[in-house]
Amino acid sequence: GNSVTQMEGPVTLSEEAFLTINCTYTATGYPSLFWYVQYPGEGLQLLLKATKADDKGSNKGFEATYRKETTSFHLEKGSVQVSDSAVYFCALRRDDKIIFGKGTRLHILP
Amino acid sequence: NAGVTQTPKFRILKIGQSMTLQCTQDMNHNYMYWYRQDPGMGLKLIYYSVGAGITDKGEVPNGYNVSRSTTEDFPLRLELAAPSQTSVYFCASGTSGRADTQYFGPGTRLTVL
Repeated sequence: GNSVTQMEGPVTLSEEAFLTINCTYTATGYPSLFWYVQYPGEGLQLLLKATKADDKGSNKGFEATYRKETTSFHLEKGSVQVSDSAVYFCALRRDDKIIFGKGTRLHILP
Repeated sequence: NAGVTQTPKFRILKIGQSMTLQCTQDMNHNYMYWYRQDPGMGLKLIYYSVGAGITDKGEVPNGYNVSRSTTEDFPLRLELAAPSQTSVYFCASGTSGRADTQYFGPGTRLTVL
């Protein structure tokens, strides 16, 4: 079946550190891939997406590349800020539904 | 556009009580979804709808019911509240495009005592 696996948190970094959150997926065919972010007390919102192999999604300094050969969609940011503290969800879309990973809590220290 | 709105924001129920969580979207999306998010956990799909009059079960439908009489509204009904239903409930809407995202409401925090 279709599934998403992402690294467990929490991840704690100092401000300006490099961030990687790993995400791998299992799916038939060619799903679209997404990263969502959830700030405290809010719903999820789209951070970035990629729709085919080798596509790179980017937004707010975050990037992720759709790697079909390794079935991965790792999230990266070169220099994190305190305001990036949130929970990050990797997800894939197949047919009518979006399948979410369990989320990774990110905590940035000033 | 207000996007996806949910009411109430917070609710405390006693075991056995019933309630309806309201969800409305103003983006003319055909697809709507209900998820629950337990503390420290990811999202689990309860029910979804691909259009007015059409609903289908998700991963955890037991204890819940839905209806979709209009494009805009997708209420979630809890008939006999149980402590296991304590959670944060999110409604989302979207379209059929394979690259299209879902848009989430702010959530309803429900506690069953």
